[in-house]
Amino acid sequence: AQSVTQLGSHVSVSEGALVLLRCNYSSSVPPYLFWYVQYPNQGLQLLLKYTSAATLVKGINGFEAEFKKSETSFHLTKPSAHMSDAAEYFCAVSASNTGFQKLVFGTGTRLLVSP
Amino acid sequence: DSGVTQTPKHLITATGQRVTLRCSPRSGDLSVYWYQQSLDQGLQFLIQYYNGEERAKGNILERFSAQQFPDLHSELNLSSLELGDSALYFCASSVNERTPAQYFGPGTRLTVL
Repeated sequence: AQSVTQLGSHVSVSEGALVLLRCNYSSSVPPYLFWYVQYPNQGLQLLLKYTSAATLVKGINGFEAEFKKSETSFHLTKPSAHMSDAAEYFCAVSASNTGFQKLVFGTGTRLLVSP
Repeated sequence: DSGVTQTPKHLITATGQRVTLRCSPRSGDLSVYWYQQSLDQGLQFLIQYYNGEERAKGNILERFSAQQFPDLHSELNLSSLELGDSALYFCASSVNERTPAQYFGPGTRLTVL
């Protein structure tokens, strides 16, 4: 079975500071990994995905994540936070050798950005 | 805008009632997934359909059922509603059942009073 652990239910940064949101996964087969962002009262928007190609993945809005198999991690980073980045971020894993690809989500990290 | 549409946006109903949530996938996507987001359970996979056929079930209650129609839209039926069914229900779609990236709709917020 697959699982995801997101460390820190809340992360606070100042505008212009580095954003680091942590995600560790568990999977018995090679995983696909995702980061989604959810703004208040909205659905989930795909930020980026790792699907066994390059280990450093670039996404939208200046975010990137690095797949580290040895650490079973897929942390999300952004060099400089913007006020508009304030939202909830979900890490998800998908791994199946049976053909279908359900997503297993972490509990989410709320990013707070202060001026 | 992901291209996935869901209706209605909000639904308020009473315990014991039955409701139907509707989802239209992105153009060209054959696979539809339903997820439930609640404060206590987080985001949970409910069920997946591919080209009209049920493919996988997750933590879906027996009171809940779904189907995918020939035009590929999907409906999630929730019956004998309980207070605890209040949640956000998301539909997602992907190109096919092996494509891992899923695109989510805006969700339907269900409130059971």
